Amino acid sequence: NAGVTQTPKFRVLKTGQSMTLLCAQDMNHEYMYWYRQDPGMGLRLIHYSVGEGTTAKGEVPDGYNVSRLKKQNFLLGLESAAPSQTSVYFCATGQLNTEAFFGQGTRLTVV
Amino acid sequence: ILNVEQSPQSLHVQEGDSTNFTCSFPSSNFYALHWYRWETAKSPEALFVMTLNGDEKKKGRISATLNTKEGYSYLYIKGSQPEDSATYLCALIQGAQKLVFGQGTRLTINP
Repeated sequence: NAGVTQTPKFRVLKTGQSMTLLCAQDMNHEYMYWYRQDPGMGLRLIHYSVGEGTTAKGEVPDGYNVSRLKKQNFLLGLESAAPSQTSVYFCATGQLNTEAFFGQGTRLTVV
Repeated sequence: ILNVEQSPQSLHVQEGDSTNFTCSFPSSNFYALHWYRWETAKSPEALFVMTLNGDEKKKGRISATLNTKEGYSYLYIKGSQPEDSATYLCALIQGAQKLVFGQGTRLTINP
């Protein structure tokens, strides 16, 4: 049972490049979330999904897109990376009235 | 925009002392409040999920209370130990399963 798996764990991008972060879960959870963690700012919600085929904006959605074509996968896309998107990205999953479970994080550096 | 506030931002406590910190949130449209413990270089792990006004939860030396009418929750740690050093996050679900975090309280236990 892997739980919540994020791919990749580390990545260095050049400004303007694009990439996709994958969050995969085997817990059959309905809700999935993407956060970014920056020093002194805690976890900020980028986008989230309450079920397969649905997505919604969080607190800091600009510059990111997401898709949830399959229940177990939640993809976070950066179409044109900027240095301001240098961060650690966390995916989380959850169910109604239960805690969220987190992936191990993806450290992204945009140079 | 949902606003979850945690105080203090950081706290230094002597080993053996008890401590507490606060999570404040808008009381309207409350659905659930979560507490997480986040150790450096790891992923956040859930402590409590609280849904009812007046809820009190306990896990070992850590306990939490919830007041949804006035919009606050307290986390208490009794007899702090060095292994309690971590960042403690609260997070609010306010309808539509949008999980938004506060900035966290960074706790350091001095031996």
